[in-house]
Amino acid sequence: AQSVAQPEDQVNVAEGNPLTVKCTYSVSGNPYLFWYVQYPNRGLQFLLKYITGDNLVKGSYGFEAEFNKSQTSFHLKKPSALVSDSALYFCAVRPYSSASKIIFGSGTRLSIRP
Amino acid sequence: GAGVSQSPSNKVTEKGKDVELRCDPISGHTALYWYRQSLGQGLEFLIYFQGNSAPDKSGLPSDRFSAERTGGSVSTLTIQRTQQEDSAVYLCASSLEVPNTEAFFGQGTRLTVV
Repeated sequence: AQSVAQPEDQVNVAEGNPLTVKCTYSVSGNPYLFWYVQYPNRGLQFLLKYITGDNLVKGSYGFEAEFNKSQTSFHLKKPSALVSDSALYFCAVRPYSSASKIIFGSGTRLSIRP
Repeated sequence: GAGVSQSPSNKVTEKGKDVELRCDPISGHTALYWYRQSLGQGLEFLIYFQGNSAPDKSGLPSDRFSAERTGGSVSTLTIQRTQQEDSAVYLCASSLEVPNTEAFFGQGTRLTVV
């Protein structure tokens, strides 16, 4: 079965510290990987994606993510957290097949304290 | 249009009534998805459209739920005989059919069944 796992329901970080939000996946073939963010009472916004090439991808708002094929992980990172980064983050995978749904993780709530 | 449009933004209905939720995707996006999100939690997949056909409707929770898409554009999600457990935010997203492209989400319809 194809799935995405976000093992942490909540991550708490002090402002200015680095943050990591974890994601692992299980799909057949080569997946395309995505991170989305949801601010309170808002829809989901695309942050970044991995398609191929460099394992470190950069996205919006200073976020980046590292693809690790051997560990089937795609962790979201930011060198210095901001209070405004507090939101709900979703990891997602879209299998290589063209006719396929997007599979989302359960979400991780990121809380940045001043 | 500029983005994915969903209507209504809020809907309060009495238990047992039928409701229709509408999604207008980004022009040219052949892939369309419906998800359900309860209380700011994870995303529950409902149905995926490729053009007007639905190759994956495995997420529809019961036969009270149905969806259609006409003209490869607007989609309607219908819930018959609503129950209180149907209360949630219903999110629609669209994307190009190419699997390495991100999906764009609407703001959602908040459904409350009283």
